[in-house]
Amino acid sequence: DPKIIQKPKYLVAVTGSEKILICEQYLGHNAMYWYRQSAKKPLEFMFSYSYQKLMDNQTASSRFQPQSSKKNHLDLQITALKPDDSATYFCASSQPGLGGREQYFGPGTRLTVL
Amino acid sequence: GQQVQQSPASLVLQEGENAELQCNFSTSLNSMQWFYQRPGGSLVSLFYNPSGTKHSGRLTSTTVIKERRSSLHISSSQTTDSGTYLCALANTNKVVFGTGTRLQVLP
Repeated sequence: DPKIIQKPKYLVAVTGSEKILICEQYLGHNAMYWYRQSAKKPLEFMFSYSYQKLMDNQTASSRFQPQSSKKNHLDLQITALKPDDSATYFCASSQPGLGGREQYFGPGTRLTVL
Repeated sequence: GQQVQQSPASLVLQEGENAELQCNFSTSLNSMQWFYQRPGGSLVSLFYNPSGTKHSGRLTSTTVIKERRSSLHISSSQTTDSGTYLCALANTNKVVFGTGTRLQVLP
């Protein structure tokens, strides 16, 4: 059974629209993260949450808003979508302590903005 | 500048050959993790190795903190090893991934 679920697997959106990417983890972790991987670019760290609180935000744009309704959920809302937002978005989790904990990744959501 | 550099950028092997992948970092280290990214995109954690040497089957990871480097050794490569290998450096508030080594193992 998958331990980190991301939904949907593929997502196509039009420029200017809003989408929510879903992430749920069943590893009992208290820290969750979002990463982005654009074509031909390294994986980029976006956000970290610990005990449902934002710990670090490396995303310049306020169009990206994480939402944590439950301890094991960290969704990503993206507003006013742009073609440059096209990427695969990965959710990850670990025990708290970003500097010293092994991270586990979900399968990703591939977003295409037309 | 780039905090985490991986080399080589790409590597082609014949099945059965060994590979040595390098990861060099320019900042202080809290943890080092190696990942395998499948051609379809999913990430598999290979090693969590802040320091020292760890083994898993045909894979060996060695991290030397004072030299600011980590390596991944693949012995007796197989075609199923093809894919991208990523190292990730975690400091207190940030995780930085390297650009990856794309490995192709030919039959």
